[in-house]
Amino acid sequence: DTAVSQTPKYLVTQMGNDKSIKCEQNLGHDTMYWYKQDSKKFLKIMFSYNNKELIINETVPNRFSPKSPDKAHLNLHINSLELGDSAVYFCASSPRDRRAEAFFGQGTRLTVV
Amino acid sequence: QKEVEQNSGPLSVPEGAIASLNCTYSDRGSQSFFWYRQYSGKSPELIMFIYSNGDKEDGRFTAQLNKASQYVSLLIRDSQPSDSATYLCAVISSGYGGSQGNLIFGKGTKLSVKP
Repeated sequence: DTAVSQTPKYLVTQMGNDKSIKCEQNLGHDTMYWYKQDSKKFLKIMFSYNNKELIINETVPNRFSPKSPDKAHLNLHINSLELGDSAVYFCASSPRDRRAEAFFGQGTRLTVV
Repeated sequence: QKEVEQNSGPLSVPEGAIASLNCTYSDRGSQSFFWYRQYSGKSPELIMFIYSNGDKEDGRFTAQLNKASQYVSLLIRDSQPSDSATYLCAVISSGYGGSQGNLIFGKGTKLSVKP
């Protein structure tokens, strides 16, 4: 009965590769997010997606793209991976009118070598 | 860029003491303030929120907000070793650049409660 689940938990890949991280929530929330937490533990929002409206943090490179096949899923695709992309990526979801009541997935630790 | 500032610590307190965690924010338009707890290797979880000036108590936790000083704090009374974690302060951004309406996090304060 996991609320927000993301796969894989660990991902090690070479520079230049393209990879995807999947996220699913069973809470019935209508807003989903992707966050990046770097080595200094700084948690920064990358995208929020609500009812087909995508809001992108302007600092996110366009190599990163979210894909939402339906309301319960928000996958993250990353093209041409770079060393600096190594981080923990968290998926989260919340009700649209209570954005701070976010439930986070367990995180995906991405290591680019 | 709207910012949330926290002392990264580590903050070390003995078991049973009061732990005081502080946070300042730059966005005067922010109205909602949150504390998340993140255990090592785990995901953040919401533990407190506060919208009005003053204190808000929930069990051993008290959140304090002073909008004039742009300051929010979290007090943990009777600290336990199980409270050892990183505490993230967050605000809802009123800003721009894709961040409006979303959570902006501080870098977190690592708390260690010694038995």
